Amino acid sequence: GQNIDQPTEMTATEGAIVQINCTYQTSGFNGLFWYQQHAGEAPTFLSYNVLDGLEEKGRFSSFLSRSKGYSYLLLKELQMKDSASYLCAVTDSNYQLIWGAGTKLIIKP
Amino acid sequence: DGGITQSPKYLFRKEGQNVTLSCEQNLNHDAMYWYRQDPGQGLRLIYYSQIVNDFQKGDIAEGYSVSREKKESFPLTVTSAQKNPTAFYLCASSSDVTYEQYFGPGTRLTVT
Repeated sequence: GQNIDQPTEMTATEGAIVQINCTYQTSGFNGLFWYQQHAGEAPTFLSYNVLDGLEEKGRFSSFLSRSKGYSYLLLKELQMKDSASYLCAVTDSNYQLIWGAGTKLIIKP
Repeated sequence: DGGITQSPKYLFRKEGQNVTLSCEQNLNHDAMYWYRQDPGQGLRLIYYSQIVNDFQKGDIAEGYSVSREKKESFPLTVTSAQKNPTAFYLCASSSDVTYEQYFGPGTRLTVT
């Protein structure tokens, strides 16, 4: 079966750095997405990785290792507004998007 | 301003009634999707459409129906056959199945 694993919840301090991990087992791989979702709102696109390595976009970076079936989202200089759920999603060989359950990130002052 | 609109934001229905959720996009995207999200869970795909007049079932299509008569519109009907319809429904679109999906604001449906 196809599966994406993320921690259910994480807590971090304002101004700090946090890494949210995602591991996946899918039938094929055609890219990995990270989305941010604030409570009660729609997800918004953060990043896309299809090749191994690190993609940096401002305070957010995303890393992919296809051989390990592993990705992480790195958030630097955390702000209170970063409190949200972070969803990992993988496109499989049929170009179907498989979603993880999301990681709820709580930022404390 | 390009985007996806869903209406209404909150919807209340009595058990046994069919209800249709609207989704409109002006992004000129070919692909459109309907997801359901329950508390503490990820997104589950109900139906998707890659082109006008064509759509495919997702993982949880039972009790739902869709139509795609226009490129801009992809309405979802929640029928009385859906056993647990109360949920947050999200519509999304993308220019292609390989590209990121853009989401509408969602409709929170409550059936009592």
